[in-house]
Amino acid sequence: EAQVTQNPRYLITVTGKKLTVTCSQNMNHEYMSWYRQDPGLGLRQIYYSMNVEVTDKGDVPEGYKVSRKEKRNFPLILESPSPNQTSLYFCASSWDATGTGQVSLHFGNGTRLTVT
Amino acid sequence: GQSLEQPSEVTAVEGAIVQINCTYQTSGFYGLSWYQQHDGGAPTFLSYNALDGLEETGRFSSFLSRSDSYGYLLLQELQMKDSASYFCAAHGQNFVFGPGTRLSVLP
Repeated sequence: EAQVTQNPRYLITVTGKKLTVTCSQNMNHEYMSWYRQDPGLGLRQIYYSMNVEVTDKGDVPEGYKVSRKEKRNFPLILESPSPNQTSLYFCASSWDATGTGQVSLHFGNGTRLTVT
Repeated sequence: GQSLEQPSEVTAVEGAIVQINCTYQTSGFYGLSWYQQHDGGAPTFLSYNALDGLEETGRFSSFLSRSDSYGYLLLQELQMKDSASYFCAAHGQNFVFGPGTRLSVLP
């Protein structure tokens, strides 16, 4: 089954304790991205990757890191989490972000992170 | 920069038709897509417009006008299960989402 898998679904942690949220897709997609969702603010992009070893900042990258060593994996790393990073996080993938063909984002089920 | 605007909330009754508008400002624009998100769930893809005009997919249709930097999602024969948030997203170098419109369908 084609899917984007995020882990964990729920995570409660304390300020300053490094954490990683994993994301894996089995569709051989070139493009992967991380979003955070907060009430009234929609989906704000954190980082995206157009291909292996190619990553770029989105709208809200501060406090986050990513890596794309393999096409299927795109982990999100919080080196020193703070309470303002409490949010719902989504990983997504697509064949490509550009072009005039129909391109759609496939989302993972989300990770609800609480930083105390 | 890139930005999209949508109404924050829309309310309609079962069986009615509702239109959710989206205006955008973005560079390198390729097209506009729409996503549905139920409470507690992940966004799911509904439709995509690369060219001006109307695209129909069952009860849902989506429209794009590049000259007006404007699009809309049209939902017909509303059902209770259509109660959800709807997001427009602009495709350029990247995907950029609007703030979302919460649709409430009343019996």
